Amino acid sequence: DIQMTQSPSSLSASVGDRVTITCRASQSISSYLNWYQQKPGKAPKLLIYAASSLQSGVPSRFSGSGSGTDFTLTISSLQPEDFATYYCQQSYSLPRTFGQGTKVEVK
Amino acid sequence: EVQLVESGGGLVQPGGSLRLSCAASGFTFSSYWMHWVRQAPGKGLVWVSRINGDGSSPSHADSVKGRFTISRDNAKNTLYLQMNSLRAEDTALYYCASGKQELDLYGMDVWGQGTTVTVSS
Repeated sequence: DIQMTQSPSSLSASVGDRVTITCRASQSISSYLNWYQQKPGKAPKLLIYAASSLQSGVPSRFSGSGSGTDFTLTISSLQPEDFATYYCQQSYSLPRTFGQGTKVEVK
Repeated sequence: EVQLVESGGGLVQPGGSLRLSCAASGFTFSSYWMHWVRQAPGKGLVWVSRINGDGSSPSHADSVKGRFTISRDNAKNTLYLQMNSLRAEDTALYYCASGKQELDLYGMDVWGQGTTVTVSS
Protein backbone atom coordinates (compact mmCIF):
# COMPACT_ATOMS: atom_id res chain seq x y z
CA ASP A 1 0.00 0.00 0.00
CA ILE A 2 1.16 3.56 -0.68
CA GLN A 3 1.53 5.57 2.52
CA MET A 4 0.72 9.27 2.42
CA THR A 5 2.33 11.49 5.04
CA GLN A 6 1.25 15.09 5.56
CA SER A 7 3.06 17.81 7.43
CA PRO A 8 2.42 19.54 9.62
CA SER A 9 -0.44 17.77 11.41
CA SER A 10 -1.73 21.15 12.50
CA LEU A 11 -0.85 24.79 12.09
CA SER A 12 -2.00 28.12 13.43
CA ALA A 13 -2.37 30.99 11.01
CA SER A 14 -4.03 34.37 10.63
CA VAL A 15 -6.32 35.72 7.94
CA GLY A 16 -4.18 36.89 5.06
CA ASP A 17 -1.32 34.48 5.76
CA ARG A 18 0.21 32.29 3.10
CA VAL A 19 -0.20 28.66 4.16
CA THR A 20 1.67 25.65 2.80
CA ILE A 21 0.89 22.00 3.52
CA THR A 22 3.08 19.20 2.26
CA CYS A 23 2.26 15.61 1.39
CA ARG A 24 4.78 12.86 0.73
CA ALA A 25 4.03 9.50 -0.87
CA SER A 26 5.96 6.37 0.08
CA GLN A 27 6.58 5.68 -3.64
CA SER A 28 6.16 7.60 -6.85
CA ILE A 29 2.54 8.35 -7.75
CA SER A 30 3.28 10.52 -10.79
CA SER A 31 0.72 13.34 -10.55
CA TYR A 32 -2.16 11.26 -9.20
CA LEU A 33 -2.55 13.35 -6.07
CA ASN A 34 -5.70 15.07 -4.86
CA TRP A 35 -6.43 17.54 -2.07
CA TYR A 36 -9.63 17.82 -0.04
CA GLN A 37 -10.96 20.29 2.49
CA GLN A 38 -13.20 19.14 5.31
CA LYS A 39 -15.05 21.36 7.75
CA PRO A 40 -16.54 20.02 11.00
CA GLY A 41 -19.72 18.05 10.41
CA LYS A 42 -19.38 18.27 6.64
CA ALA A 43 -18.33 15.93 3.87
CA PRO A 44 -14.92 16.40 2.27
CA LYS A 45 -14.72 18.74 -0.72
CA LEU A 46 -12.35 18.19 -3.64
CA LEU A 47 -10.07 21.21 -4.08
CA ILE A 48 -7.23 20.08 -6.34
CA TYR A 49 -6.91 17.03 -8.56
CA ALA A 50 -4.02 15.69 -10.59
CA ALA A 51 -1.63 17.53 -8.26
CA SER A 52 -2.24 20.99 -9.70
CA SER A 53 -5.66 21.24 -11.38
CA LEU A 54 -8.18 23.42 -9.60
CA GLN A 55 -11.59 21.86 -9.15
CA SER A 56 -14.44 23.89 -10.62
CA GLY A 57 -15.76 26.52 -8.22
CA VAL A 58 -12.70 26.48 -5.94
CA PRO A 59 -11.14 29.90 -5.33
CA SER A 60 -7.89 30.61 -7.12
CA ARG A 61 -6.08 31.29 -3.83
CA PHE A 62 -5.77 27.49 -3.61
CA SER A 63 -3.01 25.92 -5.67
CA GLY A 64 -1.20 22.60 -5.80
CA SER A 65 2.18 21.50 -7.08
CA GLY A 66 4.51 18.55 -7.17
CA SER A 67 4.98 15.20 -8.82
CA GLY A 68 6.54 11.86 -8.00
CA THR A 69 6.59 11.68 -4.21
CA ASP A 70 6.46 15.28 -2.97
CA PHE A 71 3.46 17.56 -3.19
CA THR A 72 2.32 20.90 -1.83
CA LEU A 73 -1.01 22.63 -1.24
CA THR A 74 -0.75 26.40 -0.93
CA ILE A 75 -3.36 28.89 0.19
CA SER A 76 -2.03 32.25 -0.98
CA SER A 77 -4.05 34.43 1.39
CA LEU A 78 -5.95 32.60 4.09
CA GLN A 79 -9.61 33.56 4.40
CA PRO A 80 -11.93 33.00 7.40
CA GLU A 81 -13.75 30.21 5.56
CA ASP A 82 -10.49 28.32 4.99
CA PHE A 83 -10.06 27.22 8.59
CA ALA A 84 -10.59 23.48 8.18
CA THR A 85 -8.79 20.16 7.90
CA TYR A 86 -7.02 19.32 4.64
CA TYR A 87 -6.29 15.83 3.32
CA CYS A 88 -4.16 14.59 0.46
CA GLN A 89 -5.11 11.36 -1.31
CA GLN A 90 -3.42 9.29 -4.00
CA SER A 91 -5.37 7.90 -6.95
CA TYR A 92 -2.41 6.04 -8.50
CA SER A 93 -3.26 2.60 -7.16
CA LEU A 94 -5.49 0.59 -4.89
CA PRO A 95 -6.08 0.83 -2.05
CA ARG A 96 -6.71 4.54 -2.32
CA THR A 97 -4.95 6.12 0.64
CA PHE A 98 -5.29 9.47 2.40
CA GLY A 99 -2.86 11.48 4.44
CA GLN A 100 -3.62 11.83 8.13
CA GLY A 101 -4.87 15.40 7.69
CA THR A 102 -3.65 18.90 8.49
CA LYS A 103 -5.82 21.06 10.70
CA VAL A 104 -5.56 24.77 9.96
CA GLU A 105 -6.53 26.73 13.06
CA VAL A 106 -6.92 30.36 13.97
CA LYS A 107 -3.80 31.91 15.43
CA GLU B 1 -28.54 19.08 -8.94
CA VAL B 2 -25.87 16.43 -8.53
CA GLN B 3 -26.53 14.63 -5.27
CA LEU B 4 -25.67 11.53 -3.27
CA VAL B 5 -27.80 10.56 -0.27
CA GLU B 6 -26.73 7.75 2.05
CA SER B 7 -29.01 5.76 4.31
CA GLY B 8 -29.06 2.53 6.28
CA GLY B 9 -26.72 3.31 9.14
CA GLY B 10 -27.53 2.54 12.74
CA LEU B 11 -26.57 0.73 15.91
CA VAL B 12 -25.65 -2.94 15.51
CA GLN B 13 -24.11 -5.52 17.81
CA PRO B 14 -20.68 -6.98 17.11
CA GLY B 15 -20.99 -9.77 14.56
CA GLY B 16 -24.12 -8.23 13.08
CA SER B 17 -24.91 -6.96 9.60
CA LEU B 18 -26.07 -3.76 7.94
CA ARG B 19 -26.67 -2.67 4.36
CA LEU B 20 -25.89 0.89 3.45
CA SER B 21 -27.47 2.56 0.43
CA CYS B 22 -26.46 5.62 -1.55
CA ALA B 23 -29.03 7.14 -3.90
CA ALA B 24 -27.59 9.16 -6.77
CA SER B 25 -29.27 11.86 -8.81
CA GLY B 26 -28.38 14.59 -11.27
CA PHE B 27 -25.73 12.69 -13.22
CA THR B 28 -25.31 9.56 -15.33
CA PHE B 29 -24.72 7.19 -12.44
CA SER B 30 -23.83 4.17 -14.55
CA SER B 31 -20.85 5.98 -16.13
CA TYR B 32 -18.89 6.55 -12.93
CA TRP B 33 -16.81 4.60 -10.49
CA MET B 34 -18.26 4.86 -6.99
CA HIS B 35 -16.52 4.66 -3.63
CA TRP B 36 -17.23 4.18 0.05
CA VAL B 37 -15.01 6.12 2.44
CA ARG B 38 -15.31 6.04 6.23
CA GLN B 39 -14.28 8.28 9.07
CA ALA B 40 -14.13 7.08 12.66
CA PRO B 41 -15.07 9.67 15.28
CA GLY B 42 -12.35 12.32 15.48
CA LYS B 43 -10.17 10.49 12.96
CA GLY B 44 -9.16 10.83 9.32
CA LEU B 45 -10.58 9.55 6.06
CA VAL B 46 -10.16 5.88 5.16
CA TRP B 47 -11.02 4.36 1.80
CA VAL B 48 -13.22 1.27 2.06
CA SER B 49 -14.38 0.09 -1.37
CA ARG B 50 -14.95 1.06 -4.97
CA ILE B 51 -16.86 -0.33 -7.93
CA ASN B 52 -16.83 0.43 -11.65
CA GLY B 53 -19.74 1.65 -13.71
CA ASP B 54 -21.23 -1.68 -14.69
CA GLY B 55 -20.52 -3.33 -11.35
CA SER B 56 -18.11 -5.91 -12.73
CA SER B 57 -15.01 -4.76 -10.87
CA PRO B 58 -15.41 -4.31 -7.10
CA SER B 59 -12.46 -3.73 -4.79
CA HIS B 60 -12.16 -3.53 -1.02
CA ALA B 61 -9.62 -2.48 1.57
CA ASP B 62 -7.89 -5.39 3.30
CA SER B 63 -9.51 -4.38 6.60
CA VAL B 64 -12.98 -5.19 5.24
CA LYS B 65 -12.22 -7.82 2.61
CA GLY B 66 -14.36 -10.90 3.07
CA ARG B 67 -16.80 -9.03 5.33
CA PHE B 68 -18.04 -6.10 3.21
CA THR B 69 -19.40 -6.22 -0.34
CA ILE B 70 -19.91 -3.24 -2.60
CA SER B 71 -22.54 -3.43 -5.34
CA ARG B 72 -24.73 -1.17 -7.43
CA ASP B 73 -28.09 -1.16 -9.19
CA ASN B 74 -27.84 1.19 -12.14
CA ALA B 75 -31.55 0.89 -12.88
CA LYS B 76 -32.20 2.36 -9.45
CA ASN B 77 -29.19 4.74 -9.46
CA THR B 78 -28.18 3.25 -6.13
CA LEU B 79 -24.89 2.10 -4.60
CA TYR B 80 -24.79 -0.42 -1.76
CA LEU B 81 -22.41 -1.62 0.91
CA GLN B 82 -23.32 -4.91 2.55
CA MET B 83 -21.51 -5.08 5.87
CA ASN B 84 -21.29 -8.44 7.66
CA SER B 85 -19.40 -9.64 10.74
CA LEU B 86 -19.22 -6.08 12.01
CA ARG B 87 -16.58 -5.16 14.58
CA ALA B 88 -16.26 -2.26 16.99
CA GLU B 89 -13.51 -0.82 14.79
CA ASP B 90 -16.02 -0.48 11.92
CA THR B 91 -17.77 2.27 13.88
CA ALA B 92 -17.62 5.34 11.66
CA LEU B 93 -19.41 7.80 9.45
CA TYR B 94 -19.65 6.20 6.02
CA TYR B 95 -19.59 8.39 2.94
CA CYS B 96 -20.33 7.44 -0.63
CA ALA B 97 -18.50 9.41 -3.30
CA SER B 98 -18.18 9.39 -7.07
CA GLY B 99 -14.99 9.38 -9.05
CA LYS B 100 -14.39 12.70 -10.76
CA GLN B 101 -14.07 11.30 -14.24
CA GLU B 102 -14.89 8.01 -15.88
CA LEU B 103 -11.31 6.74 -15.52
CA ASP B 104 -11.36 7.31 -11.74
CA LEU B 105 -7.89 8.83 -11.69
CA TYR B 106 -8.68 12.30 -10.40
CA GLY B 107 -10.20 12.06 -6.98
CA MET B 108 -13.78 12.03 -5.78
CA ASP B 109 -15.77 15.12 -6.61
CA VAL B 110 -19.27 14.39 -5.35
CA TRP B 111 -19.86 13.23 -1.77
CA GLY B 112 -22.92 12.38 0.23
CA GLN B 113 -23.57 13.66 3.73
CA GLY B 114 -22.68 10.32 5.31
CA THR B 115 -24.50 7.72 7.38
CA THR B 116 -23.35 6.67 10.84
CA VAL B 117 -22.62 3.07 11.76
CA THR B 118 -22.11 2.23 15.42
CA VAL B 119 -21.02 -1.27 16.40
CA SER B 120 -21.55 -1.86 20.09
CA SER B 121 -23.14 -4.29 22.49
